[in-house]
Amino acid sequence: DSGVTQTPKHLITATGQRVTLRCSPRSGDLSVYWYQQSLDQGLQFLIQYYNGEERAKGNILERFSAQQFPDLHSELNLSSLELGDSALYFCASSGPLKGGAPYNEQFFGPGTRLTVL
Amino acid sequence: GIQVEQSPPDLILQEGANSTLRCNFSDSVNNLQWFHQNPWGQLINLFYIPSGTKQNGRLSATTVATERYSLLYISSSQTTDSGVYFCAVERDQAGTALIFGKGTTLSVSS
Repeated sequence: DSGVTQTPKHLITATGQRVTLRCSPRSGDLSVYWYQQSLDQGLQFLIQYYNGEERAKGNILERFSAQQFPDLHSELNLSSLELGDSALYFCASSGPLKGGAPYNEQFFGPGTRLTVL
Repeated sequence: GIQVEQSPPDLILQEGANSTLRCNFSDSVNNLQWFHQNPWGQLINLFYIPSGTKQNGRLSATTVATERYSLLYISSSQTTDSGVYFCAVERDQAGTALIFGKGTTLSVSS
């Protein structure tokens, strides 16, 4: 168990709909990252937040948005869903830890499997 | 952008065999991590290894940053080692995005 939690585990929805994926980082971690894993694109970075602020953007579509709340949990909002958005969405976290783990090692949650029908 | 290439793409082993997985990257990196994605889709941290050598049980890893490659060694493989092994690098300052290779799919049969 990495300590990163994601809900829901599975999500099945229809084209055109909007969904929200939720992530809680490991205790003490300030950075949250979102990644998408699809068969054709592999694992791709979407967006990063650090202590509530957007820090970096990757290949995130304009239909997608995210935010990090004061309690450091994050939500990824996907709207106007298309068949091609079906994928496994991972959240990862990193941050200063007690006891010697490096600052920038990322730990991944179990993922949310999104199926768009 | 930085390229991450993993080889071989697929590997089939009998239980008990040893294997070496390779990760080449095209530019200097700040961080390198190895992950195992199990058949249930979970990404499990194996090593954080921007340079040097580390060992954890039957697994060990070596990164030669100056030559831009990393190796993951699996000894005495078990069926539970099956899955996809990913190498991922972080190019810029600490705490930025990981760029993943396409992975090596390992199948271990008994």
